[in-house]
Amino acid sequence: SQQGEEDPQALSIQEGENATMNCSYKTSINNLQWYRQNSGRGLVHLILIRSNEREKHSGRLRVTLDTSKKSSSLLITASRAADTASYFCATNRGYGGTSYGKLTFGQGTILTVHP
Amino acid sequence: ETGVTQSPTHLIKTRGQQVTLRCSSQSGHNTVSWYQQALGQGPQFIFQYYREEENGRGNFPPRFSGLQFPNYSSELNVNALELDDSALYLCASSFWSFDEQYFGPGTRLTVT
Repeated sequence: SQQGEEDPQALSIQEGENATMNCSYKTSINNLQWYRQNSGRGLVHLILIRSNEREKHSGRLRVTLDTSKKSSSLLITASRAADTASYFCATNRGYGGTSYGKLTFGQGTILTVHP
Repeated sequence: ETGVTQSPTHLIKTRGQQVTLRCSSQSGHNTVSWYQQALGQGPQFIFQYYREEENGRGNFPPRFSGLQFPNYSSELNVNALELDDSALYLCASSFWSFDEQYFGPGTRLTVT
């Protein structure tokens, strides 16, 4: 079963606009990661934020983490048509018995950026 | 693109058959994880190998098994294929279990 849930399921915007995607999860975590996937191909790692961090930036990406609410958000600023993809959040619980090393993914947000 | 490669790209098998999928990890990475992604869903963790030992497993039956070799490449074996095994199988490598994972392009398995 999926631990995380992304919101919204789909997002359609114009080039130049900002895109915000949210992720909620259920258990304590070691870190939370965001990935991008183009057309059913392999996933590309975007950013990793650890449980003791609140905000992280990478280029046009900004990720926040609120462990008290068990939620995270991904902001893509000044979006481009090339950002069109599915975006997934994934949590890593750290040392967790048989789940050691496991990334638990949400269902994903489908982002469409219109030129 | 990552340095993770997977073979084959596509595969069609019949229910009841067995399949082996292969993965070469990125240079310097000693940890390999396998995921199953059904259409329209997020990836589901199958298992992880670290230095040739399975060190984590998801909710998959024993007919899903794996190996990791001394060069850290890996295989995923699925016996007695079922129609629901049709999915994209993704391999990911990392230097450590809690690090970001680098995914290969996946193998699309269709079971008829």
